[in-house]
Amino acid sequence: KAGVTQTPRYLIKTRGQQVTLSCSPISGHRSVSWYQQTPGQGLQFLFEYFSETQRNKGNFPGRFSGRQFSNSRSEMNVSTLELGDSALYLCASSFPFPSTLAGGRDTQYFGPGTRLTVL
Amino acid sequence: GNSVTQMEGPVTLSEEAFLTINCTYTATGYPSLFWYVQYPGEGLQLLLKATKADDKGSNKGFEATYRKETTSFHLEKGSVQVSDSAVYFCALIQARGGGSNYKLTFGKGTLLTVNP
Repeated sequence: KAGVTQTPRYLIKTRGQQVTLSCSPISGHRSVSWYQQTPGQGLQFLFEYFSETQRNKGNFPGRFSGRQFSNSRSEMNVSTLELGDSALYLCASSFPFPSTLAGGRDTQYFGPGTRLTVL
Repeated sequence: GNSVTQMEGPVTLSEEAFLTINCTYTATGYPSLFWYVQYPGEGLQLLLKATKADDKGSNKGFEATYRKETTSFHLEKGSVQVSDSAVYFCALIQARGGGSNYKLTFGKGTLLTVNP
């Protein structure tokens, strides 16, 4: 079974630009969560989508947004990039259906991440 | 809110040494607990999990026991290898009921270096 895939793996942008990152969850998973990882702040939760609806959101400004499609694939968008947005962005999928499958509802499986550098 | 505290390291060991990385948590209710591992340049890999008190998670020689009385989930391995060098993250999630609590809360990570 294929794992979580994220594209692109690396991105270089300049301040003020916008960027879109993509995540394809494990087949059959319905929830996609996004996390930001930086050396200073560690791993921080951005948002979670379940059945095309944002169900949960972390403490990030409105420049960070996302969406989920009917096939559970998700995108996140960052507008008006700032230097501090440089980070590894990780996507995780979970909630297999039915939830009695191995892994259950509580286990999130991560992709390799997208490394965003803002110059 | 929920929080996870783990020893930040770095931890440097010789091959075949015993490893302990301490992790304690603060949470309401009954969270599930995890250890994830991150190798250089990669995402997070699930190492092991435990979903209720006294559960022991184990994988690849690593073990951790869910201790509700001490709110701890310490990671141990009896004999580390050079290939275990990575960053280890302790995390929790409150999955029951889903909704606004459905997010992983991570510790700051512990860098482990194992020398031959």
